[in-house]
Amino acid sequence: ETGVTQTPRHLVMGMTNKKSLKCEQHLGHNAMYWYKQSAKKPLELMFVYSLEERVENNSVPSRFSPECPNSSHLFLHLHTLQPEDSALYLCASTLYRTEQIYGYTFGSGTRLTVV
Amino acid sequence: GQNIDQPTEMTATEGAIVQINCTYQTSGFNGLFWYQQHAGEAPTFLSYNVLDGLEEKGRFSSFLSRSKGYSYLLLKELQMKDSASYLCAVKEYNFNKFYFGSGTKLNVKP
Repeated sequence: ETGVTQTPRHLVMGMTNKKSLKCEQHLGHNAMYWYKQSAKKPLELMFVYSLEERVENNSVPSRFSPECPNSSHLFLHLHTLQPEDSALYLCASTLYRTEQIYGYTFGSGTRLTVV
Repeated sequence: GQNIDQPTEMTATEGAIVQINCTYQTSGFNGLFWYQQHAGEAPTFLSYNVLDGLEEKGRFSSFLSRSKGYSYLLLKELQMKDSASYLCAVKEYNFNKFYFGSGTKLNVKP
């Protein structure tokens, strides 16, 4: 375990479903991130939250909706997804200005399959 | 924008040395990171370079040349457990944004 916990580990959903991914950390970090990892492609930054405020939305389609209710929890709400959204979704956290020592701490990801 | 390139796949023999290269083009460079990711697992932090030169951490070393937009990760005394993907990531000055390469899958053979 890395200290960043993501649930569920695997998710299969239909294109008309609504589901949520959850990320939780109790490392005292103050920045949290959602990344998308597709096969043979770079990790794509989706959203950045700093101190519970969204500071970055990297041109992500509106069918992905993030929520950060507190500094320990991050959600990604999904609705009406497309098959091309099938990927590994990684959550990461860090403490601002310590990334050169610790880098990001990643969760193990949620493997999402859209059918 | 960012353009981060690394080889897709490499193969090396147990006990050998392997060098994984990464080239990048980015604005506002503020550090380069290497991560290791085993299949089905989270990426884990290996190293950080912000100044030119070599940083050594046990069997792993990382090198940076900012003028050339170039880094490499050197793995010595390869072990079977080193079989994984190695991700190069560049950090920009704006808030904590990292941009990743596609990763290099390293296969270590007996």
